[in-house]
Amino acid sequence: EVQLVASGGGLVKPGGSLRLSCAASGFIFSSYTMNWVRQAPGKGLEWVSSIDVGSDYIYYADSVKGRFTISRDNAKNSLSLQMNSLRADDTAVYYCARGGREIDYWGQGTLVTVSS
Amino acid sequence: QSVLTQPPSVSAAPGQKVTISCSGSSSSIVNNYVSWYQRLPGTAPKLLIYDNNKRPSGIPDRFSGSKSGTSATLGITGLQTGDEADYYCGTWDSSLSAWVFGGGTKLTVL
Repeated sequence: EVQLVASGGGLVKPGGSLRLSCAASGFIFSSYTMNWVRQAPGKGLEWVSSIDVGSDYIYYADSVKGRFTISRDNAKNSLSLQMNSLRADDTAVYYCARGGREIDYWGQGTLVTVSS
Repeated sequence: QSVLTQPPSVSAAPGQKVTISCSGSSSSIVNNYVSWYQRLPGTAPKLLIYDNNKRPSGIPDRFSGSKSGTSATLGITGLQTGDEADYYCGTWDSSLSAWVFGGGTKLTVL
């Protein structure tokens, strides 16, 4: 069974940093592109970032470019998102999600709240 | 404002059929595969349709997808109260080098 367990969310002040992690199991992690997708309260889904199997192709939404860094460790079946210079509009549930051509599995999400 | 455009809400009675549209552009829908997702309250999104019209195992054939030009459509027949959820279309946009989603459509089964 595919499992994606995100962690690391919490309350942080504007301008602060947070690192999200995603533990993957039940599939060959090193064979899949991975993503972070977020959903702000009352809003729709917003793609944040993608990383290919070898970390050679990395993409970011314009809204997070220069502030967020995605990375993966295929040996540990883990995905990370380093978030710096956080703003109030980064407040959202962050989902770790598998897939390139289609995003086929989503983790349960971790809540990030940016507030003073 | 989302790159893909969906109606904010649709509604129909139990047992009826509903369609949800998703409008995009040549760099998104036309040249890439469209996926559809169901988000039940309090849960993570779930893949319903991929490659425009394919269903993952376990998804009933009441759910269908199609694509024509710059638009895609999700169809749901035999509506059940358990189908009440938010539905999102999504695809890779080649010009943006980004995944894009529709704004979501809230389905109400009256």
